[in-house]
Amino acid sequence: SQQGEEDPQALSIQEGENATMNCSYKTSINNLQWYRQNSGRGLVHLILIRSNEREKHSGRLRVTLDTSKKSSSLLITASRAADTASYFCATDATNAGKSTFGDGTTLTVKP
Amino acid sequence: NAGVTQTPKFRVLKTGQSMTLLCAQDMNHEYMYWYRQDPGMGLRLIHYSVGEGTTAKGEVPDGYNVSRLKKQNFLLGLESAAPSQTSVYFCASQGGDRNQPQHFGDGTRLSIL
Repeated sequence: SQQGEEDPQALSIQEGENATMNCSYKTSINNLQWYRQNSGRGLVHLILIRSNEREKHSGRLRVTLDTSKKSSSLLITASRAADTASYFCATDATNAGKSTFGDGTTLTVKP
Repeated sequence: NAGVTQTPKFRVLKTGQSMTLLCAQDMNHEYMYWYRQDPGMGLRLIHYSVGEGTTAKGEVPDGYNVSRLKKQNFLLGLESAAPSQTSVYFCASQGGDRNQPQHFGDGTRLSIL
């Protein structure tokens, strides 16, 4: 079974709006990572947040982590058409030795 | 700097044929991974390696074998291809610290007829 599950499965917004997607997981983790995948391409790393961190920023991206709720959120501010992609969370579970990916959120940003 | 390179990019096989997918990384990373991605889904881990000469099973290892004879290369083999193995296969590498990101290749699109 998937460790990380993203919500919503699909999100459609207008350019300039903010996009928020969530990831829930089941077991304790070392870190949680967010990746972007453009159509037909491999995944590109966006942000890694460690279990002892609560928030990280990178440009227009903001990631939060709530280990008590076993959840994370990715916020993209002032979205652009180029942000259209699928976004995946990956959890590095404690003592698992590997990361597990969710099924992703497909984001469409309309010009 | 090429990063992670997968060959081939596309391949069509007949049921029962065998083939090997090659992943090469030039970042001197310890960890390497093979995933498969089916339409509309996330990545499922097939096999992984935490160093040269080591391999381990992931979530969906059946029907696949791997080898890591050299640190920079991770090979994925299909001994007898089945239609259920039609998928996009991604390789990734990661430095020797699990708090490092994974770097992905662009994938191999494999169809089994």
